[in-house]
Amino acid sequence: GNSVTQMEGPVTLSEEAFLTINCTYTATGYPSLFWYVQYPGEGLQLLLKATKADDKGSNKGFEATYRKETTSFHLEKGSVQVSDSAVYFCALTSTGTASKLTFGTGTRLQVTL
Amino acid sequence: NAGVTQTPKFQVLKTGQSMTLQCAQDMNHNSMYWYRQDPGMGLRLIYYSASEGTTDKGEVPNGYNVSRLNKREFSLRLESAAPSQTSVYFCASSEQGAPNSPLHFGNGTRLTVT
Repeated sequence: GNSVTQMEGPVTLSEEAFLTINCTYTATGYPSLFWYVQYPGEGLQLLLKATKADDKGSNKGFEATYRKETTSFHLEKGSVQVSDSAVYFCALTSTGTASKLTFGTGTRLQVTL
Repeated sequence: NAGVTQTPKFQVLKTGQSMTLQCAQDMNHNSMYWYRQDPGMGLRLIYYSASEGTTDKGEVPNGYNVSRLNKREFSLRLESAAPSQTSVYFCASSEQGAPNSPLHFGNGTRLTVT
C-alpha cells in the first residue's frame, strides 16, 4: 500500500535559516506528491505539488522536487520567517485513488527571532 | 467566500452518546472527504464521497457513518461514541475525483469522548 514517511519534529530554526524537511514515499503506480501546511487553529492548505518525476513544485519561497530514483519529495526554503511556523504534511495520491490523499505524520516547524 | 465550513468547532461527549458533525462547501466541488487527525499519525481518511449520491469507506471507517445530503453537504455520524474517537476531525472537498485536484479543508472539529 501507499505510505509517506516524514522526518520527526519539531524543527526549531532561527529566522533566515535554511529549511529542509525530508519526505520519502512508497506507492504503487505513478503518484502525485503534495506538501500541505497547517497553521495553528486552521485546516490544511495546499502549499505545492508535483505530478511527475523531476517536476519541481514551488510556492511562497518553498520548493520540492519529485525524485523518483530516491522516492523523495523534500521540502526546502532558503530563508524562513517567523510566519512560516506551522505543521507541514507530505502527502501523495497514486493512480486509481482519485483525490484520496495518504499523509505523512507531519513535521512541526518553529521559527524564532 | 466561506470555502469549507464545519460545525461544531468543539464537542465533548460521554461514551455511548451519538452526534453528527456537519460539513458544507460552497465551491461547487464534486468530491468530499472526512479525515481524522491524531498526534503522531497524520491524517487518516474515514469516508469519502466521490460525487453526489455515492460514499465509500476510507482507511478507518469503523464506528462512523456518513451521508452525502446534497452536493454541498457531507455529514459524519458517530452512533455510539468511544474514547478512541477522541480526535480532530477535518472535512475537505475537491473539484473532481482526480489525483491532481487539491483538497480544500475546513478548520476542524475537536471532539473529546470521556
